[in-house]
Amino acid sequence: DADVTQTPRNRITKTGKRIMLECSQTKGHDRMYWYRQDPGLGLQLIYYSFDVKDINKGEISDGYSVSRQAQAKFSLSLESAIPNQTALYFCATSDGSSNEQYFGPGTRLTVT
Amino acid sequence: AQSVTQLGSHVSVSEGALVLLRCNYSSSVPPYLFWYVQYPNQGLQLLLKYTSAATLVKGINGFEAEFKKSETSFHLTKPSAHMSDAAEYFCAVSDYKGTYKYIFGTGTRLKVLA
Repeated sequence: DADVTQTPRNRITKTGKRIMLECSQTKGHDRMYWYRQDPGLGLQLIYYSFDVKDINKGEISDGYSVSRQAQAKFSLSLESAIPNQTALYFCATSDGSSNEQYFGPGTRLTVT
Repeated sequence: AQSVTQLGSHVSVSEGALVLLRCNYSSSVPPYLFWYVQYPNQGLQLLLKYTSAATLVKGINGFEAEFKKSETSFHLTKPSAHMSDAAEYFCAVSDYKGTYKYIFGTGTRLKVLA
């Protein structure tokens, strides 16, 4: 079984809709991250969390919110989706000591 | 502030030829440096990392990278390309304490020609 899972893997939604992307991990890591990937731009950090009570904004947090429901779960929400939020979204985890991040398979989101 | 520059958004090599993917970084503190690979429709997988130990770092699948402080570079190499190496490669920099946030480069797509 995969250590970091993301649901859904693909989603098409309409402008103005609320959508939630979910991430779960079985690695036992405290740190979790949400990134978006756009062609030619690499990965940009949206939010990160070092534990359930510690949530921080990344480089591009506007239009997004997150919830850390448990150590193993970190959800990303788009309150009112817009077309320029069409992208590939990745969740990642880290244990903080090695500074290595482990990525989920990604969610491809299309906003029409 | 930290930043990463990957020179060449697309690189093509023949099968069996040397692979060289370039990464230059900027950091005001000693950095951690990483190379990740992304195969089509998959997440990112760690190839190798530099954490201030040996300057020549060996990773998976025959890849290695050399940290050169004087050139602020961390180029990725592989002596002989395989068709299976075709993927997108990302260089990332992180600070060694505090937030450990990654700053990613824009990626280099490697194409291997038969």
